[in-house]
Formats: sequence, C-alpha cells, structure tokens
Amino acid sequence: GGIITQTPKFLIGQEGQKLTLKCQQNFNHDTMYWYRQDSGKGLRLIYYSITENDLQKGDLSEGYDASREKKSSFSLTVTSAQKNEMAVFLCASSITGTTGQLYFGEGSKLTVL
Amino acid sequence: QQKVQQSPESLIVPEGGMASLNCTFSDRNSQYFWWYRQHSGEGPKALMSIFSNGDKKEGRFTAHLNKASLYVSLHIKDSQPSDSALYFCAVIRGNNNNRIFFGDGTQLVVKP
Repeated sequence: GGIITQTPKFLIGQEGQKLTLKCQQNFNHDTMYWYRQDSGKGLRLIYYSITENDLQKGDLSEGYDASREKKSSFSLTVTSAQKNEMAVFLCASSITGTTGQLYFGEGSKLTVL
Repeated sequence: QQKVQQSPESLIVPEGGMASLNCTFSDRNSQYFWWYRQHSGEGPKALMSIFSNGDKKEGRFTAHLNKASLYVSLHIKDSQPSDSALYFCAVIRGNNNNRIFFGDGTQLVVKP
C-alpha cells in the first residue's frame, strides 16, 4: 500500500504572507489534487495535475499557485494569506483514467493571524 | 457543470439503528459513484463504489443507484458509534472526463 504525506500538518502565518504546503505520494499515481475544506464542510477543488509539470485550475484557484515538478510531489502556495481562508488543505492522488477512487492525505491546517 | 447535492446535512441515529444518506446529481452521463467517509481530524477515505443500477452490499453498508432518477444513496445497518463521520458522495462522468464532483457531505452521529 501507498501513503500520501502532507507537510506541515499545522501552518501558522501572518495576513499577507506567502505560505507553501507540500504533498508527497508513493502510489506512483499520475494525477494529484489540492482541495480546501472549511471547518467540517465540503471539499473545494483548488488545483489538479494529471502529470508532471501539468497544472489545471479548479473552482477555487484564485489566490493560490501550484507546482508539480516531480510525479511524486505536488505543492500549493497561498500567495497572500487572508483570515477568511483558514481551512484544512487536503492533497489527494489517483490513477489517470480513474473511476473515482482518490487517496487523501491527512490534511494541513492553516491558521492566519 | 455537475451539481451534486446531499441530504440531510446532518443525521443522528441511535446505536443499532439504520442511517440513510441521500445524494442527487445533475449529469445524466455520469458513470461512477463513490461514497467517501471522513472521521474527525483525518482525510476522507473511499468507503464503497457503485457503477450499475440497483443495490450493492458490503457488510453493513448498502449503496443504491438509480441513474434514471439521478439518485444514489447509502444505507448503514446496525449503526455503530465508530460510523460517526462526515460522508461524501462523489460522482464522475467517465469517458475521458474524469473530473470528480463531491457533494457537501452528511454529518452522521451515532449515539450510544
């Protein structure tokens, strides 16, 4: 079995700061995703990537950048942290051509002071 | 764009009771349907899939799909406190359109 590792688990930053979240997977999956989950609510897609160096915008990409330099890793940058985007950020991966099974990491919780 | 709606938003059932979670979707060409479960403080995990009309049973969990009615459901028999979690319905069109659409979730609480 594989695993998705997100770092850091908790990230605290100042308003306006640029903050980066990292995700590594050892499933050898092609597609990786970043979702944002506001307190106990639904999942909103920020960015996804179907292969190395590919980036596709989701529904919530404004204010975020992403980078997929290696197949196994996908990073997300909050370009200017705002208090209203305190949330849990979830990374996931899947096989391309998927029937829908995503494998999620445990999440990174962002707090903005 | 696909709309996936879940009901109820929250549900309380007694231990040993039946929990029924509902999900409707808008794209008639959707082919693949999943239920994900998320315990507090963890990432969501795939619980079960259903791809054909009818019922699919896995232990205490039964998924039901009716594509013509744009409806999928999950029933949990003999609910346990460990079933308390946030449940998401996920819908995929397939045929090279692999964008996954999630509902907003149903928060299930099973009371001992």
